[in-house]
Amino acid sequence: AQSVTQLGSHVSVSEGALVLLRCNYSSSVPPYLFWYVQYPNQGLQLLLKYTSAATLVKGINGFEAEFKKSETSFHLTKPSAHMSDAAEYFCAVSVPGGGADGLTFGKGTHLIIQP
Amino acid sequence: EAGVTQFPSHSVIEKGQTVTLRCDPISGHDNLYWYRRVMGKEIKFLLHFVKESKQDESGMPNNRFLAERTGGTYSTLKVQPAELEDSGVYFCASSQDWAGALRHEQYFGPGTRLTVT
Repeated sequence: AQSVTQLGSHVSVSEGALVLLRCNYSSSVPPYLFWYVQYPNQGLQLLLKYTSAATLVKGINGFEAEFKKSETSFHLTKPSAHMSDAAEYFCAVSVPGGGADGLTFGKGTHLIIQP
Repeated sequence: EAGVTQFPSHSVIEKGQTVTLRCDPISGHDNLYWYRRVMGKEIKFLLHFVKESKQDESGMPNNRFLAERTGGTYSTLKVQPAELEDSGVYFCASSQDWAGALRHEQYFGPGTRLTVT
């Protein structure tokens, strides 16, 4: 079975600083990987996805993530944080061709932006 | 294009009562999923429909939960009788394409916050 670990339940950065949210996965086969964002009082929005094409994936709002098989990681980055980036971020994994098509989520990371 | 919608947005019920949650997927999406997030925990998969058929219900907690998707359009999730531990946010998601990578690209609704007192 696959699993996802997100390091840090809360990450605080200053406005304009680099954002780095960590995600490590465990999967017996090459996975599909996703980052979702949940803004206050809203649903989950797909930020970006890795589905075995380019290892550096660009998403919405200036975010990107790099799939590193050797490190089993899929960390989310943004060069310069904006106040509007404050939200909860979820890393998720699914297994192509697996029996269960549900996503397996990490516990989420609250991103706090300091003015 | 309308996104995934869920009704109600909030529900407060007493232990032992019945609640029915509804999800309308994106039009044309054959795949429909239910998830739940209990406070302080991660989002957990409950079940997956392909059209009107249950493809995988391995995440359903127990037989107090019943999901249906009559006609392959909207879905309902009934909890009967509700227990305190059922409190949480219930998310619905949908995806297109029965086979292939697009099946895994799921679009989520805003969720239903269920509180059992």
